[in-house]
Amino acid sequence: NAGVTQTPKFRVLKTGQSMTLLCAQDMNHEYMYWYRQDPGMGLRLIHYSVGEGTTAKGEVPDGYNVSRLKKQNFLLGLESAAPSQTSVYFCATKDVTGTTHEQYFGPGTRLTVT
Amino acid sequence: SQQGEEDPQALSIQEGENATMNCSYKTSINNLQWYRQNSGRGLVHLILIRSNEREKHSGRLRVTLDTSKKSSSLLITASRAADTASYFCATMIWDKIIFGKGTRLHILP
Repeated sequence: NAGVTQTPKFRVLKTGQSMTLLCAQDMNHEYMYWYRQDPGMGLRLIHYSVGEGTTAKGEVPDGYNVSRLKKQNFLLGLESAAPSQTSVYFCATKDVTGTTHEQYFGPGTRLTVT
Repeated sequence: SQQGEEDPQALSIQEGENATMNCSYKTSINNLQWYRQNSGRGLVHLILIRSNEREKHSGRLRVTLDTSKKSSSLLITASRAADTASYFCATMIWDKIIFGKGTRLHILP
């Protein structure tokens, strides 16, 4: 089992360009999350999903859109990238059937916007 | 501002000593979790404590929770070089899981 995978691992964008980050999971988890991590800021929640076809805003949703068309995939889109979106992006999943509430994280995508 | 705030921001101790990190949060929670992040990697879950629990143990980890003070502490006993990492508290509020800024722990040989 691959667990949680993220594509791509690295990307450099120019200001104004668009891109989509893909998070894929094979654990059949209902909940999926997108976070960004900046130096000294910890992880900040961008958007999350509690099931296929659902999305909700987190702490810092502006400038990002998400879609959860299939249970196993959670896409994060940047329509017009800005230098302030330079960050490391982490996807995470959570199983709602268990009692641990543990999140499983992907390896991250390092994005630089110039 | 973020829900959780860890203290201290950075901590250096000698191998074998105990390390204590604290987390304060702002609003009522369902549970609180602690995660570890090795440099450049994703986070790994360490331990969860529910809002109706006061203390929990897992191996060398001891977590306390004081809901009246909205604070938690993570104690790592008999530290090892492999414990060098960043540690984050995460509070669960319904469906959201919100992280603090983390404590960078460095174990000196």
